[in-house]
Amino acid sequence: GEDVEQSLFLSVREGDSSVINCTYTDSSSTYLYWYKQEPGAGLQLLTYIFSNMDMKQDQRLTVLLNKKDKHLSLRIADTQTGDSAIYFCAEVLVSNTGKLIFGQGTTLQVKP
Amino acid sequence: DAEITQSPRHKITETGRQVTLACHQTWNHNNMFWYRQDLGHGLRLIHYSYGVQDTNKGEVSDGYSVSRSNTEDLPLTLESAASSQTSVYFCASSEQGRPYEQYFGPGTRLTVT
Repeated sequence: GEDVEQSLFLSVREGDSSVINCTYTDSSSTYLYWYKQEPGAGLQLLTYIFSNMDMKQDQRLTVLLNKKDKHLSLRIADTQTGDSAIYFCAEVLVSNTGKLIFGQGTTLQVKP
Repeated sequence: DAEITQSPRHKITETGRQVTLACHQTWNHNNMFWYRQDLGHGLRLIHYSYGVQDTNKGEVSDGYSVSRSNTEDLPLTLESAASSQTSVYFCASSEQGRPYEQYFGPGTRLTVT
């Protein structure tokens, strides 16, 4: 089946690392994504990882993929107040070109 | 620069009225999608299209329709608006075979009274 789960809320202090977690159920997922949505705005693609990778790093962002446990995480190093937003993980299945299955979103609150 | 736009950005309408939300992209992408965003549900797929004259139903398609007469546009029509369709609607586009490039519009906030 197709289902993506995320915890709903995370609060961290500025300068700390944030880790946002996501689990998915479909082992045939090809790409997994992290999107950021700031208040009143659309979705911004932060990063993605192909299913044959374990890790991807992009500046302050690190994505870890555990295919055995169907677990995806996004680590934000040195979290800033500008990182406060809703973060969505999403997957695309090889049989559904471009159709994204989204999690419910995790609201990240960064306290000064 | 290429972009994806939606109009209107905000709309208030009455129950039973027909409403059309516009989506326009200038990337020449084949794939276009409509999602709705509701608290606790994330984004759910309404309709999608893989090219001109192609349309397909997503998981929450009841009460909505789309048409694709050219590559750039995928308008979403609510045939008879219902209060349950109060939501934020996002349009997205991507290129066939490049699912790692997904672009979203800014969204349309629709309120049905």
